[in-house]
Amino acid sequence: NAGVTQTPKFRVLKTGQSMTLLCAQDMNHEYMYWYRQDPGMGLRLIHYSVGEGTTAKGEVPDGYNVSRLKKQNFLLGLESAAPSQTSVYFCASRGSYAYNEQFFGPGTRLTVL
Amino acid sequence: AQTVTQSQPEMSVQEAETVTLSCTYDTSENNYYLFWYKQPPSRQMILVIRQEAYKQQNATENRFSVNFQKAAKSFSLKISDSQLGDTAMYFCAYSTDSWGKLQFGAGTQVVVTP
Repeated sequence: NAGVTQTPKFRVLKTGQSMTLLCAQDMNHEYMYWYRQDPGMGLRLIHYSVGEGTTAKGEVPDGYNVSRLKKQNFLLGLESAAPSQTSVYFCASRGSYAYNEQFFGPGTRLTVL
Repeated sequence: AQTVTQSQPEMSVQEAETVTLSCTYDTSENNYYLFWYKQPPSRQMILVIRQEAYKQQNATENRFSVNFQKAAKSFSLKISDSQLGDTAMYFCAYSTDSWGKLQFGAGTQVVVTP
């Protein structure tokens, strides 16, 4: 099992450009999450999904959109990138119970110039 | 707002010694779930230990144990017999709902020295 994978691992964008980050999991998990990690702030939740076709906003959703067309994939989109979106992005997935651990992908380092 | 506070930005410990990381949180919920995650230089987030708030007994996983004080809203992590591979950033987190949304602290950098 690959677990949780993220594509790409690194990306540099110019202000105003768009891009999509792909997260894939092979554990048949219902729940998927997108976090961003900034220095000194820990991880903050951007959006999450509780099943195929459903998404919801997290703590810092502005400037991002998500889609979950297939259960195994969770896409994070930036329509018009801003320097404030320079960060490391983590995807995670989890089984059915709140006590279950979240399995994290390796992260994507995004720089917006 | 619900928050998690890790008051120690960095801690250094010698191999084979013990180190304790502090974590306090703020929630009005009665039942919730607490986690410690480790992030080594590889950047991979790895679960270290977890605790359900309604369980009185402190969780233990090999060299890792917690001291959960519900009334004080405190969830400290003790690393015993520290090893070089324990060098990492450690994050305290909790979740109060069935969606599993995690609220993270800012992290404590642990450096284990020979």
